[in-house]
Amino acid sequence: GENVEQHPSTLSVQEGDSAVIKCTYSDSASNYFPWYKQELGKGPQLIIDIRSNVGEKKDQRIAVTLNKTAKHFSLHITETQPEDSAVYFCAAKRSNFNKFYFGSGTKLNVKP
Amino acid sequence: SAVISQKPSRDICQRGTSLTIQCQVDSQVTMMFWYRQQPGQSLTLIATANQGSEATYESGFVIDKFPISRPNLTFSTLTVSNMSPEDSSIYLCSVGTNEQYFGPGTRLTVT
Repeated sequence: GENVEQHPSTLSVQEGDSAVIKCTYSDSASNYFPWYKQELGKGPQLIIDIRSNVGEKKDQRIAVTLNKTAKHFSLHITETQPEDSAVYFCAAKRSNFNKFYFGSGTKLNVKP
Repeated sequence: SAVISQKPSRDICQRGTSLTIQCQVDSQVTMMFWYRQQPGQSLTLIATANQGSEATYESGFVIDKFPISRPNLTFSTLTVSNMSPEDSSIYLCSVGTNEQYFGPGTRLTVT
């Protein structure tokens, strides 16, 4: 089955700096890669996703890049704000399967 | 996106008892999913629930411990049976086979 690895496990940045979280996957048939943000006491919230037919996708301060050859994808957050502090999870999925494979999570702390 | 609610939001239970968690979605969905998130950990899929058929359990999870009901296209329940402290976790339901959306979770503590 698929194996998704996520790094780093914790990330501390100063407000206004950029943050990058990286994930690698093992199954070359995976073609959908979402990112979730989980705030304390809440369920995971889908914040951005990318499909394997594109290399980059942006939504305001967040962007995701995908390198299919190297089988890795990354979440980029620019101009970080304290409200970006949360745990972020990446995931991978095949289009013909229902199961999502999640990374181990990254705890992002944005210091004011 | 779907709006998902769960009840209860949290509970403290004694070992040996059972707790049933409810998940309600604001639209009809074919599949619902139940996850467990142990403290500080990632999400682990327990089972997939289709309306009108038996749930499909992942390796390490069995129906006797985690019975699931799916009586209609907007509702599901997960029961955590004969609980032990190791069952203390957040239990999450989700929907969506392409984009997946999660409920707020049920925080269970077993003493």
